[in-house]
Amino acid sequence: GAVVSQHPSRVICKSGTSVKIECRSLDFQATTMFWYRQFPKQSLMLMATSNEGSKATYEQGVEKDKFLINHASLTLSTLTVTSAHPEDSSFYICSARGAQGQPQHFGDGTRLSIL
Amino acid sequence: KNQVEQSPQSLIILEGKNCTLQCNYTVSPFSNLRWYKQDTGRGPVSLTIMTFSENTKSNGRYTATLDADTKQSSLHITASQLSDSASYICVVNDYGQNFVFGPGTRLSVLP
Repeated sequence: GAVVSQHPSRVICKSGTSVKIECRSLDFQATTMFWYRQFPKQSLMLMATSNEGSKATYEQGVEKDKFLINHASLTLSTLTVTSAHPEDSSFYICSARGAQGQPQHFGDGTRLSIL
Repeated sequence: KNQVEQSPQSLIILEGKNCTLQCNYTVSPFSNLRWYKQDTGRGPVSLTIMTFSENTKSNGRYTATLDADTKQSSLHITASQLSDSASYICVVNDYGQNFVFGPGTRLSVLP
């Protein structure tokens, strides 16, 4: 089945650091990638949607200058949390989808802890 | 407003018992509905996908039903195992890029 790889799985860093998270589709071309944030015992909250070669579309309340998304190829999207602060600590999950109407496949998430 | 509701919020059952999780949605237009299983600290994994014309779909001990008229779906787990302990998320997709997530049901299976 379709596989999405997310790296790193865990990051612990100091406040003020910028952190980059990678999301790769390993066996299919991901036309669209989604980035989610999940707080403990809550469901996934969509942060942004990115289509290959286009600027990401951010959900209301998500700062695009804080969460930089790049989707430069059909197999790779990156999320950079710039100047991270403790309130940015969360579980970040990406998903990828091929053509419109196709299901999305999720990565295993990145647990970000900002000290 | 497109919404997906799930019940119960949490559920505790004994190993070997059956259980049914519910999902109600108001998403329109409707393309498909998926049930995902999310283990703690992991990404969601798809269990079943159902389109408008499908009423029932099984995947091993998991059986999903869909009533497109009442906009309800259920996920039935048979002969539960300890490894079934997880959050189960109902996700409804329209024909575009909109995936509406339910809040999930947290299932705990006890020995």
